Amino acid sequence: DQQVKQNSPSLSVQEGRISILNCDYTNSMFDYFLWYKKYPAEGPTFLISISSIKDKNEDGRFTVFLNKSAKHLSLHIVPSQPGDSAVYFCAASLANAGGTSYGKLTFGQGTILTVHP
Amino acid sequence: ETGVTQSPTHLIKTRGQQVTLRCSSQSGHNTVSWYQQALGQGPQFIFQYYREEENGRGNFPPRFSGLQFPNYSSELNVNALELDDSALYLCASSLAGVDVYGYTFGSGTRLTVV
Repeated sequence: DQQVKQNSPSLSVQEGRISILNCDYTNSMFDYFLWYKKYPAEGPTFLISISSIKDKNEDGRFTVFLNKSAKHLSLHIVPSQPGDSAVYFCAASLANAGGTSYGKLTFGQGTILTVHP
Repeated sequence: ETGVTQSPTHLIKTRGQQVTLRCSSQSGHNTVSWYQQALGQGPQFIFQYYREEENGRGNFPPRFSGLQFPNYSSELNVNALELDDSALYLCASSLAGVDVYGYTFGSGTRLTVV
């Protein structure tokens, strides 16, 4: 039972253009979502998160959009850079009383992003 | 400030054997979580420890067990290894009550069961 799905195993983008990575979830109890980036031989590193009370969160070149009714979130990277090439994971969890995550993340399968110079 | 250190980095074991993986948490962190990442999949939550007690568990059988020590380092033990246990095992530490972006992942231990 895959509760968090990233249906695109890979994405190839030209440097300077927008990268859009998508993620769908099935568990309506999830109310906190995160994106992680992973380089080979390294652990995942946190990129950006969003609480279900919001529909958008920005941090520099990274923006996450959440559509609760569709149970869908996306990560936009603008402009894309070759150093962004990595595996991107979306993850979901329940939120605590403070509106952030308890941890215990449920991850998607990942999308390999390749940004060409 | 040191990050999360996992040892060993690679390990080969035979089916039926037992294995212990180790994690040294980031300084100041008191919560540790373990994840299993099979090839081509995302990390899957195994369990979390807080103040030396298990604080949540994913869908893993009892032969997966853990320990957290007073210095907040941790071990993951797997008994009766099966071929499907071959995976990257990730440890993540955090300070309880801090947003999960406070989670710091280690680089993982690659376990191969033959």
